Amino acid sequence: GDSVTQMEGPVTLSEEAFLTINCTYTATGYPSLFWYVQYPGEGLQLLLKATKADDKGSNKGFEATYRKETTSFHLEKGSVQVSDSAVYFCALSDLGGGTSYGKLTFGQGTILTVHP
Amino acid sequence: DAGVTQSPTHLIKTRGQQVTLRCSPKSGHDTVSWYQQALGQGPQFIFQYYEEEERQRGNFPDRFSGHQFPNYSSELNVNALLLGDSALYLCASSWGTSYAFGSGTRLTVV
Repeated sequence: GDSVTQMEGPVTLSEEAFLTINCTYTATGYPSLFWYVQYPGEGLQLLLKATKADDKGSNKGFEATYRKETTSFHLEKGSVQVSDSAVYFCALSDLGGGTSYGKLTFGQGTILTVHP
Repeated sequence: DAGVTQSPTHLIKTRGQQVTLRCSPKSGHDTVSWYQQALGQGPQFIFQYYEEEERQRGNFPDRFSGHQFPNYSSELNVNALLLGDSALYLCASSWGTSYAFGSGTRLTVV
């Protein structure tokens, strides 16, 4: 079945450092790929997504490129801020056989802590 | 525009009891999915409802059941609670490729 693997965490960085969180996936067909962020005590917020190979999703300085050849969707940010401290989840979904998303399959999450 | 709302936000139940969690979807969304997120883990898909029927189901026992109402709101029911059912339960609503999560219900089983 579908699966998502994220890099081992947690990740601790100083403010303005470069961030990479690795994500690889296994799926049949052509899934859409997502990064979600979860702040303490809150639900999941969509950070960015990509729906086909070579698409680049971007938002709030974060970027990720859908690499079909390496089945990867690594998250990057050039200069992190203290406010970026949160848990980041990589996820995939198929279209459930139609034009709407079926289930989302998540990775285990990566805790990011950014120090001033 | 109200997003996905879940109730209650927290609750504590005793092992063996039954619990019902509720979810109101985002305006314009017609599909509801439920996820279980254990502490320190990623969310796990429980099931998805569309047109008042279960459309997809994850690897959860029959103790987990759900319902969707004509106004698209949904309930998640868990019977014979186990200590291992303690988790954050997330509801997500969707329409096409628009997908939104609620803040969750924190269930503690003692």
